Amino acid sequence: DAGVIQSPRHEVTEMGQEVTLRCKPISGHDYLFWYRQTMMRGLELLIYFNNNVPIDDSGMPEDRFSAKMPNASFSTLKIQPSEPRDSAVYFCASTTYGAGIFGSGTRLTVV
Amino acid sequence: DQQVKQNSPSLSVQEGRISILNCDYTNSMFDYFLWYKKYPAEGPTFLISISSIKDKNEDGRFTVFLNKSAKHLSLHIVPSQPGDSAVYFCAASEMDGANNLFFGTGTRLTVIP
Repeated sequence: DAGVIQSPRHEVTEMGQEVTLRCKPISGHDYLFWYRQTMMRGLELLIYFNNNVPIDDSGMPEDRFSAKMPNASFSTLKIQPSEPRDSAVYFCASTTYGAGIFGSGTRLTVV
Repeated sequence: DQQVKQNSPSLSVQEGRISILNCDYTNSMFDYFLWYKKYPAEGPTFLISISSIKDKNEDGRFTVFLNKSAKHLSLHIVPSQPGDSAVYFCAASEMDGANNLFFGTGTRLTVIP
C-alpha cells in the first residue's frame, strides 16, 4: 500500500480564497483524522471520521472550515475564505485501531 | 489549554549516550499514551505506546516510562544514534483504539556524531 496520500504537498493562496486539501486513506482503514500542526500548539485534531461519518468536529476552529468524506477512499478539508492565520501544515491520518498512520502533510501558506 | 505538554522544545545528545524526552499531561482520564517521531517534510510515524495498566514498555533501544501519579511519561533512547535526530511528539487519549489523540508541541532531538 502507498500509505496515506495527501495533495497538494504545498499550497500558497491569497487571503479570501477557497482552499481544498485532499486525503486518500489506507485501504481498509475505517478511521480518518485531520490534524493541523503549528509551532505554538503542536498537532491539533480538527475532525475525525469513522466509516465515513464525522464523529467529532469540535476541533474545527470556525465555520470557515469544513470536512467531508464522501466515500471510504477520499476526504477533503475545505477552508473558505482562507486567512493568513490558517497557515500551517495539515495532516491526514488513518487507522483501524490504535496509532494512526499519517500522510506527508500539506503545507498551506495564506498570504 | 494544552492537555499534553512537552516543555523542552529541543534536546542535544552525544551519539551513544542516553536521550530522555519528557511529557506531562493534565487529564487524569488519559489511559493510553504514544510517542511519534517526525522527520522534516514527512508525517509523524508511530514509535511506541504504553497503556495505563503498565509503567514501562520497551522496544529495542526505545523505552517509555509512565508515572500516573505524577501524570508524567518519558521516552528513553539508548544508545542514541544520529538517525534518531527528529522531532518527537508525545500523545495521549482516553482509551486504547482509534479515537482522539491529544498531542504535545514536540521536542526536537539532535544526536551529535
